[in-house]
Amino acid sequence: EDKVVQSPLSLVVHEGDTVTLNCSYEVTNFRSLLWYKQEKKAPTFLFMLTSSGIEKKSGRLSSILDKKELFSILNITATQTGDSAIYLCAAVTGGGADGLTFGKGTHLIIQP
Amino acid sequence: GAVVSQHPSWVICKSGTSVKIECRSLDFQATTMFWYRQFPKQSLMLMATSNEGSKATYEQGVEKDKFLINHASLTLSTLTVTSAHPEDSSFYICSATFSGGAAYTQYFGPGTRLTVL
Repeated sequence: EDKVVQSPLSLVVHEGDTVTLNCSYEVTNFRSLLWYKQEKKAPTFLFMLTSSGIEKKSGRLSSILDKKELFSILNITATQTGDSAIYLCAAVTGGGADGLTFGKGTHLIIQP
Repeated sequence: GAVVSQHPSWVICKSGTSVKIECRSLDFQATTMFWYRQFPKQSLMLMATSNEGSKATYEQGVEKDKFLINHASLTLSTLTVTSAHPEDSSFYICSATFSGGAAYTQYFGPGTRLTVL
């Protein structure tokens, strides 16, 4: 059974701190790993990682994949209250247009 | 571009009734649509994959007779929760992709919150 595990489940930090969110996966036919940010409604796409060791960056967010150790991290530097959300990672498997296997998410709360 | 809408946003119904949720791709043709369910403080769980013009593929543990999915056109998929019960109360999210799209081009709808009394 495909499995995606995120840690921690929840995290409370102060504005300005740097956080690292973890995602490990055990899936068959792994293709790529996706990170999403979910606030009140549907998730919004952050990153897609397919190759090991190549960091993806978008502003204060960055992410990297380790296909040997089967995990990914999402870093957020200089956190702001607007970063408060649930961060989901999802594994893409199979050869076609496939549904995603999501982790349970990390609930991040940034305190002013 | 690539907007997916859902209707309704929020529905409350009595136990035993059926509820239909629509998912539309507004500016592209969605060859594949996915239905996810999210319980409070839990992650999204894939329920089923539907391809236009064919029967949906349901994930293990999802009752196909209870959750009827129809993907009759390239821009519309519907999920009907039949004989809904309180345990069906959840947040239902659809996503859509087009032929040849990579998985990250799965565009999510805003979700429908279903409350069954």
